[in-house]
Amino acid sequence: GAVVSQHPSRVICKSGTSVKIECRSLDFQATTMFWYRQFPKQSLMLMATSNEGSKATYEQGVEKDKFLINHASLTLSTLTVTSAHPEDSSFYICSARGPSGTSYEQYFGPGTRLTVT
Amino acid sequence: GQQLNQSPQSMFIQEGEDVSMNCTSSSIFNTWLWYKQDPGEGPVLLIALYKAGELTSNGRLTAQFGITRKDSFLNISASIPSDVGIYFCAGLNDYKLSFGAGTTVTVRA
Repeated sequence: GAVVSQHPSRVICKSGTSVKIECRSLDFQATTMFWYRQFPKQSLMLMATSNEGSKATYEQGVEKDKFLINHASLTLSTLTVTSAHPEDSSFYICSARGPSGTSYEQYFGPGTRLTVT
Repeated sequence: GQQLNQSPQSMFIQEGEDVSMNCTSSSIFNTWLWYKQDPGEGPVLLIALYKAGELTSNGRLTAQFGITRKDSFLNISASIPSDVGIYFCAGLNDYKLSFGAGTTVTVRA
């Protein structure tokens, strides 16, 4: 099956620093990847859609200058949280559209736990 | 995003019991999906529903896509300990997923 990985799985950073999270499709090419944020005991909220070779599309209320997304290849998208603050602490999950191109087919990564101190 | 109302919020099960949860929305969705998420992991797709009225099974799981395309239910029959976790419904329009708040399933002590 299609596998999506994320790195790192956990990261702790100091307030004001930037953190980069990687999302990789391991055995398929993904022209579209998605970034979600999940606060404790809450649901997944879509932050942005990442398209290979073009600018990401951000959901309403998500600051594009704070959450920088780069989808430079068909197997890698990165999310950089710039000038992180404690309120950015969350579980960040990516997904990738599957190889068949069927719109429902999104495969999720294992998530990255970000803690900002 | 579009809001999905999922219930119950949590439930306690004993091994062997059947489990039911449902999701409603004020919006129509083209596809409904059910995911399970274990702590510290990403969601895993359980069942996908494409047609209004569709009833689909996957092992002990059964899900139905409401005829109005605004609701869905998930049943788990004869629950086992590894069924514990958080179950999310999700509606898909175009390529965007909107998730419900989740149903936390816990084993009753």
